[in-house]
Amino acid sequence: DTEVTQTPKHLVMGMTNKKSLKCEQHMGHRAMYWYKQKAKKPPELMFVYSYEKLSINESVPSRFSPECPNSSLLNLHLHALQPEDSALYLCASSKGGGAKNIQYFGAGTRLSVL
Amino acid sequence: GEDVEQSLFLSVREGDSSVINCTYTDSSSTYLYWYKQEPGAGLQLLTYIFSNMDMKQDQRLTVLLNKKDKHLSLRIADTQTGDSAIYFCAESKTGGSYIPTFGRGTSLIVHP
Repeated sequence: DTEVTQTPKHLVMGMTNKKSLKCEQHMGHRAMYWYKQKAKKPPELMFVYSYEKLSINESVPSRFSPECPNSSLLNLHLHALQPEDSALYLCASSKGGGAKNIQYFGAGTRLSVL
Repeated sequence: GEDVEQSLFLSVREGDSSVINCTYTDSSSTYLYWYKQEPGAGLQLLTYIFSNMDMKQDQRLTVLLNKKDKHLSLRIADTQTGDSAIYFCAESKTGGSYIPTFGRGTSLIVHP
């Protein structure tokens, strides 16, 4: 099973809403990632969790708040977003801890901020 | 310049071979990857190659690595309409977190 599951698939929210994106993997991977992807662009790294600890935060605005409740789950809490935050949000996981860092991606959550 | 560079578009006829090219700048790259992204979907790992290899073949896919020129290519034999997608080249480097750096992606269009 090389599946990374993301929910919801689509999300529309207003600028005053609070919502959460969820990501789950059961491959025993110890590294999990959030990426933001705009149309026709490569994914941009937002956060990395390694062994359930936040190891990288790529200067992401505080209106995005990641959480890793356990080794299989990764959440991204959203609050007071801006229209420019509309994008595809991708979760990925990898074994971690080595040069052969193959990432497995979920299908993404398509977020629209009105 | 960018760490990983790719041409943005490639158009081929169904049944022909496609060659997607990528150049990278860091000689300490260890693994190089090719990902495929279909419209509205996530990234799917197609194949990867370790930097001490020259070539890797997997069914219709052939990866060639020229380490001297820092050039990576992905050849898709007998290209089908289902191969239409964006293809991302990525590298991971030694001495860091090994998080892959992605190129801008090549949009492959296959027409009948």
